[in-house]
Amino acid sequence: EPEVTQTPSHQVTQMGQEVILRCVPISNHLYFYWYRQILGQKVEFLVSFYNNEISEKSEIFDDQFSVERPDGSNFTLKIRSTKLEDSAMYFCASSGGSADSPLHFGNGTRLTVT
Amino acid sequence: GEDVEQSLFLSVREGDSSVINCTYTDSSSTYLYWYKQEPGAGLQLLTYIFSNMDMKQDQRLTVLLNKKDKHLSLRIADTQTGDSAIYFCALPRGSYIPTFGRGTSLIVHP
Repeated sequence: EPEVTQTPSHQVTQMGQEVILRCVPISNHLYFYWYRQILGQKVEFLVSFYNNEISEKSEIFDDQFSVERPDGSNFTLKIRSTKLEDSAMYFCASSGGSADSPLHFGNGTRLTVT
Repeated sequence: GEDVEQSLFLSVREGDSSVINCTYTDSSSTYLYWYKQEPGAGLQLLTYIFSNMDMKQDQRLTVLLNKKDKHLSLRIADTQTGDSAIYFCALPRGSYIPTFGRGTSLIVHP
């Protein structure tokens, strides 16, 4: 069964550094998402992406965050200058032919900011 | 209050049925989802129900939707130790973006 893959599985970075989290969505999916889960807390929506542009974003997704689909397969989340509170599990998801199709998630990247 | 609410914990004996409940405030969703998260793992789409359905059965899983009361439940029959995980109710609010509940930790005792 096709799946969403994320790399790396764990990223450790120092405060103030830039990080790029990578995702390969399911190949025929059109809608892409990033969510995050701070340890022990809710799974929170960050951003959705369709047709090469952001379609919706939450208040968490401030100017420090950006997303890109640099080629036909990858979908990346960049955090420009990481803060301690950015430490979380970041999940990428994709969905198929319509905006309300079910989301399929990757296994996540655990980001630790020291 | 929260837009999507779940109890935090549920403890059952192996072989019993588990019922995980979810209440929500926004009823404009087309799909309502249940996701499973095993320790250290990602979010696995377990099952989902269309908003025009009352019930969906999929092997050991039964999803019940009461739109009037804005209540969604997931029943797991013959619960096994491998079912121990966190179960998230998720549904879109306003837009198509799913909002997650806090998750219910299901603990299955042998």
